[in-house]
Amino acid sequence: GAVVSQHPSRVICKSGTSVKIECRSLDFQATTMFWYRQFPKQSLMLMATSNEGSKATYEQGVEKDKFLINHASLTLSTLTVTSAHPEDSSFYICSAIRRTGGTEAFFGQGTRLTVV
Amino acid sequence: GIQVEQSPPDLILQEGANSTLRCNFSDSVNNLQWFHQNPWGQLINLFYIPSGTKQNGRLSATTVATERYSLLYISSSQTTDSGVYFCAAAGSYQLTFGKGTKLSVIP
Repeated sequence: GAVVSQHPSRVICKSGTSVKIECRSLDFQATTMFWYRQFPKQSLMLMATSNEGSKATYEQGVEKDKFLINHASLTLSTLTVTSAHPEDSSFYICSAIRRTGGTEAFFGQGTRLTVV
Repeated sequence: GIQVEQSPPDLILQEGANSTLRCNFSDSVNNLQWFHQNPWGQLINLFYIPSGTKQNGRLSATTVATERYSLLYISSSQTTDSGVYFCAAAGSYQLTFGKGTKLSVIP
């Protein structure tokens, strides 16, 4: 199978601090990774598309300076929520597509962020 | 971008009943996936089905790409099938999710 691991699964941080979330493809190389956000009882909304070795592409309305994305290798993308505030509390999920082709997306377990 | 609509938004079933969930999409797709989101938030990948029909145990799915819809069938439902089912579609690589169908299976 194709496994995507996301870490941490749960994090609580203080207002004003930064939090880094990692997304790793464990058994395949991923040219492209995606970051989604989900509010309670709502659907998943795409935040950004992350391509290895290049700058991420952010969806309209997503602050790139608040949500820093780095995709430094074919197996790792990171999302850093900078100067977090309570309204950033949410469920963040990443996904990845195999470099070898195909369009199927594989999802991580998600990270529940609570900013206090 | 692609619009994805799911119906019904809520569904309550007696254990053992069958159900059909529908997903309509607004444009041609090269990816369509069905997920079950468990209580911890993890998306369980049910089907990758941009076209055709697939079956996995009590679940099956059909996508008619030319008519821009997909159906997820759940037969002999069990209480463990409860949760939210999402359909997501992509014209290229970026998946757009529908709002989901919340399924409740009661004993």
